[in-house]
Amino acid sequence: DGGITQSPKYLFRKEGQNVTLSCEQNLNHDAMYWYRQDPGQGLRLIYYSQIVNDFQKGDIAEGYSVSREKKESFPLTVTSAQKNPTAFYLCASSIGHLGDYSGALEQFFGPGTRLTVL
Amino acid sequence: KNQVEQSPQSLIILEGKNCTLQCNYTVSPFSNLRWYKQDTGRGPVSLTIMTFSENTKSNGRYTATLDADTKQSSLHITASQLSDSASYICVVTAPYSSASKIIFGSGTRLSIRP
Repeated sequence: DGGITQSPKYLFRKEGQNVTLSCEQNLNHDAMYWYRQDPGQGLRLIYYSQIVNDFQKGDIAEGYSVSREKKESFPLTVTSAQKNPTAFYLCASSIGHLGDYSGALEQFFGPGTRLTVL
Repeated sequence: KNQVEQSPQSLIILEGKNCTLQCNYTVSPFSNLRWYKQDTGRGPVSLTIMTFSENTKSNGRYTATLDADTKQSSLHITASQLSDSASYICVVTAPYSSASKIIFGSGTRLSIRP
């Protein structure tokens, strides 16, 4: 089955800890994205990557870090510098970066990880 | 500032009834507009994608319309089913924008009652 997976589904973090959220895709997509979703708000872009070994900050990158060592994987680390990390985190992928295409490029989402700070 | 506004915020209808969700945007120029369905605690799933030159797109009981002149889109759900209970998200892509290029609305939460 082709798709995009995230793990874990639920994650609990103590204050001051760093945690890493996993995102894997086998769709052979170049572009991958991390979003944060809070109640009553639209998805907000944390980081995106258009190609291996390259990534760009999104609108709310402070307190987060990413890596893109393999095409299939785009892990997100929530650091202790992120003051309000409790949220639902969504990973997505597309063949190319949506911002660079004028056509109807599809973006696929993973099932999400719910992070709670204790 | 590029924005996507959805209305209503929430909606409750009886099973079998039709409903229409609205999306107004200020993004200009834009390349495409998408509607997603998001079940509680899950990732969004694409329903329709329309480029700026398309007026309507259907996917089963879901029909999306787009009026690029008034910058409005709607999602019409016909003969609603209990499984339609979800949040519906409107997303506009603006590839030539200097700001965020993919703008998400905050969604409409739809509840279908038996």
